[in-house]
Amino acid sequence: KAGVTQTPRYLIKTRGQQVTLSCSPISGHRSVSWYQQTPGQGLQFLFEYFSETQRNKGNFPGRFSGRQFSNSRSEMNVSTLELGDSALYLCASSLAERSNTDTQYFGPGTRLTVL
Amino acid sequence: AQSVTQLDSHVSVSEGTPVLLRCNYSSSYSPSLFWYVQHPNKGLQLLLKYTSAATLVKGINGFEAEFKKSETSFHLTKPSAHMSDAAEYFCGVSGFDSSYKLIFGSGTRLLVRP
Repeated sequence: KAGVTQTPRYLIKTRGQQVTLSCSPISGHRSVSWYQQTPGQGLQFLFEYFSETQRNKGNFPGRFSGRQFSNSRSEMNVSTLELGDSALYLCASSLAERSNTDTQYFGPGTRLTVL
Repeated sequence: AQSVTQLDSHVSVSEGTPVLLRCNYSSSYSPSLFWYVQHPNKGLQLLLKYTSAATLVKGINGFEAEFKKSETSFHLTKPSAHMSDAAEYFCGVSGFDSSYKLIFGSGTRLLVRP
């Protein structure tokens, strides 16, 4: 089975621009979660989507948004980019069972640099 | 609320010696616990997970972890370190009281000396 794929792998943007990142989950997985990884804050949960609905949300400003399509692929969008948004954005997919047996599998990430 | 504390930000071992990476958790309900590894410029790879079955969990690449409820710990061990084990390791917790969000510790960077 193919793993989680994320595109693009690298992005360079300038302050004030917006960016869209894409994630394709493992086949059969219905949940997609997004994380931001920075040296200062570590791994922080952004949001989770299941059946095209946001099911969980982390503590991030409204500039961060996402969506999920009917084929479970997900996109996240960051508007009005700030320097502090420079990070590795990781996507993870799971079967979405609301139980302790659910396991998240991660993609390689998108490295976003904001200049 | 659930939380995870990784007690060491850096661990340095010699090749061929044992590895111990420490993780303590806090959870009001029976949690799932995970260890992930991240090599430079890569995503997170699942090493192993505990989901209330056997308390000693075996993972990939010779790693294992023991769930100790009385100590609220889930330390990761390997009998003999290999150069390829050099990476960053993340302990994570998930469960009912986090709405099954995966909460990570701050990470432990493992250095393996030749």
